Amino acid sequence: AQSVTQPDIHITVSEGASLELRCNYSYGATPYLFWYVQSPGQGLQLLLKYFSGDTLVQGIKGFEAEFKRSQSSFNLRKPSVHWSDAAEYFCAVVVTTDSWGKLQFGAGTQVVVTP
Amino acid sequence: DGGITQSPKYLFRKEGQNVTLSCEQNLNHDAMYWYRQDPGQGLRLIYYSQIVNDFQKGDIAEGYSVSREKKESFPLTVTSAQKNPTAFYLCASSSPPSGGYTFGSGTRLTVV
Repeated sequence: AQSVTQPDIHITVSEGASLELRCNYSYGATPYLFWYVQSPGQGLQLLLKYFSGDTLVQGIKGFEAEFKRSQSSFNLRKPSVHWSDAAEYFCAVVVTTDSWGKLQFGAGTQVVVTP
Repeated sequence: DGGITQSPKYLFRKEGQNVTLSCEQNLNHDAMYWYRQDPGQGLRLIYYSQIVNDFQKGDIAEGYSVSREKKESFPLTVTSAQKNPTAFYLCASSSPPSGGYTFGSGTRLTVV
C-alpha cells in the first residue's frame, strides 16, 4: 500500500541546536514531495517541495530537505533552531502518475523547542 | 492578495444537525480539496474536485457531501450521518501538482 511515514511523533530540541525530521514513502513511481508546517489552530504553510533535479532543496525559514531515492526518504533539516520553529511538521507526497495529485500526508512530527 | 478563505473559524453543531463549511479561493486554481485533521492522524482526504460540477470521494467521504458550482467555491456539508464530526477541517486548492497546494486557515467543528 502507498504510504508516507514520519517515524518520530514528537521531538524536543534546544534552541540553537540542529533539527532533522524524517520522512519515508512507499510508492512505485517517483513522487512529488512536500514539507508543510502548522502552528496550533492554523492552516498549513509550505516549507519546500521537490519535483525533480537537484536532490537538495532549499526552503523558507532556513529549512532544507534532501531526497534520497535509494532510501525512499525526504528528510527535513535546519542547522540552528529558533523558538519560533516550535510547531507540527508534515511530510506529504503526490504520486506523479496521478495528474491531479491527491496529497497524502504523514501523521506529523510535533517539534518542541526548549530554551 | 490571493488565497483561500475558510469560514467560520469555529463552528458548534448539535447532534443530528447538518452544517456547511465554506471555502473560497481567488487563486484561479482548478482543483480543490477538503481534508480532516485529527490529533495523531495527520490529514485525511474527504473530497476533491478537479473541475466545476465534478467531484470525487476521498478516503473518508462517508457522512460528508460537497458541491462545486463555481470554480472559486467548494463548500463541505457535514451531515448527521457523520458519526464523529468533531475535528479540524482544512480546505486546499492547487493548479496541477507542480504548482503546489495552498491551504486555508481551517474550521474547527465541535459537536455539542
